[in-house]
Amino acid sequence: SQTIHQWPATLVQPVGSPLSLECTVEGTSNPNLYWYRQAAGRGLQLLFYSVGIGQISSEVPQNLSASRPQDRQFILSSKKLLLSDSGFYLCAWSVGLAHNEQFFGPGTRLTVL
Amino acid sequence: KQEVTQIPAALSVPEGENLVLNCSFTDSAIYNLQWFRQDPGKGLTSLLLIQSSQREQTSGRLNASLDKSSGRSTLYIAASQPGDSATYLCAVRPIRTGNQFYFGTGTSLTVIP
Repeated sequence: SQTIHQWPATLVQPVGSPLSLECTVEGTSNPNLYWYRQAAGRGLQLLFYSVGIGQISSEVPQNLSASRPQDRQFILSSKKLLLSDSGFYLCAWSVGLAHNEQFFGPGTRLTVL
Repeated sequence: KQEVTQIPAALSVPEGENLVLNCSFTDSAIYNLQWFRQDPGKGLTSLLLIQSSQREQTSGRLNASLDKSSGRSTLYIAASQPGDSATYLCAVRPIRTGNQFYFGTGTSLTVIP
């Protein structure tokens, strides 16, 4: 069966510090991978998605970036965090072009102070 | 751009009551619609996936319907239980954007014992 892992589970970082969040998927090949952010009281905002190694699409211009160094690994990064980067970051995966459902990881709670 | 709306934003019902959650979307050209459950501080759990060619899907006490032409879906929960308390989100996968999913802001459900 497929599983998705995210780490760390929680993170408290000062403003201006770097960020690296990792997501890995097990039990499937060539998944579509997604990074979402969920701010307090708001819906899910799609940040990045990837259909393959090295292929990243950005949905929102900001100080975050994403990379996919391996088929089942997706990394969210920042060189300098802002207060507005605080939120709940969710990684998700799906398989296939259109008709398959999306599955989510447990999330990372990021607090920028 | 696809917009997804969920009404009401919050709902409180006594245990045992049947209830309906609503989801509407602006672009009816979709591959599918997916309902999720999110517990506080957790990731999203997939509940039901309805393909665009389907009218409804059932899982246990849950029944989701889809009226693509009117841009609406409902999630029916029968005989509600306190354990059903959570936020319920719907997401659509538009044909125009392929790999992307668009989420509503969710309905926060509280089932009172």
